[in-house]
Amino acid sequence: DAGVTQSPTHLIKTRGQQVTLRCSPKSGHDTVSWYQQALGQGPQFIFQYYEEEERQRGNFPDRFSGHQFPNYSSELNVNALLLGDSALYLCASGTDYNEQFFGPGTRLTVL
Amino acid sequence: GQQVMQIPQYQHVQEGEDFTTYCNSSTTLSNIQWYKQRPGGHPVFLIQLVKSGEVKKQKRLTFQFGEAKKNSSLHITATQTTDVGTYFCAGSSGNTGKLIFGQGTTLQVKP
Repeated sequence: DAGVTQSPTHLIKTRGQQVTLRCSPKSGHDTVSWYQQALGQGPQFIFQYYEEEERQRGNFPDRFSGHQFPNYSSELNVNALLLGDSALYLCASGTDYNEQFFGPGTRLTVL
Repeated sequence: GQQVMQIPQYQHVQEGEDFTTYCNSSTTLSNIQWYKQRPGGHPVFLIQLVKSGEVKKQKRLTFQFGEAKKNSSLHITATQTTDVGTYFCAGSSGNTGKLIFGQGTTLQVKP
């Protein structure tokens, strides 16, 4: 049984560009959350998807948007990239409000 | 907004010594979770505490949830080199699914 998978592993973009990150949750999980982790910091909650709807959102601008598909996989889109968006983007899946299983993350570098 | 503070930020110990990290929330939590992140890795779930005053043990690790459900601690007895990593607490208020992470405590163990 595969755990949470994310793609791509690494990504380099320039300021102003747009990026899409992808996540497949662990089998049996219906909830997907996205986190941003800057170097040396704890993960910061971006938003959570459940039943293809955004259920909760953290303090991130509208440039950050997402989607969940019927098979529970999810995408994170970031528009108009800024240098400060450089970070490790983590996807986590779970059921209800219990433990979160994190994927390996996507390392985004904005130049 | 809700904040979760964690201290200390770093801890260097000699192998065999004990280690404790403390977590404090600005608001009452419905539950608190602990995660471990190895260098270059992703957060891995350790445990979830739900009840006021709850204490849980996992081998050499002891987790406590305060009576007021605003603070928590993780204590490791007789550290080993395999304990190296960053330990994060993450709190949730109400059944929102939104986890607020502390900044983490990075543990280094000298053999």
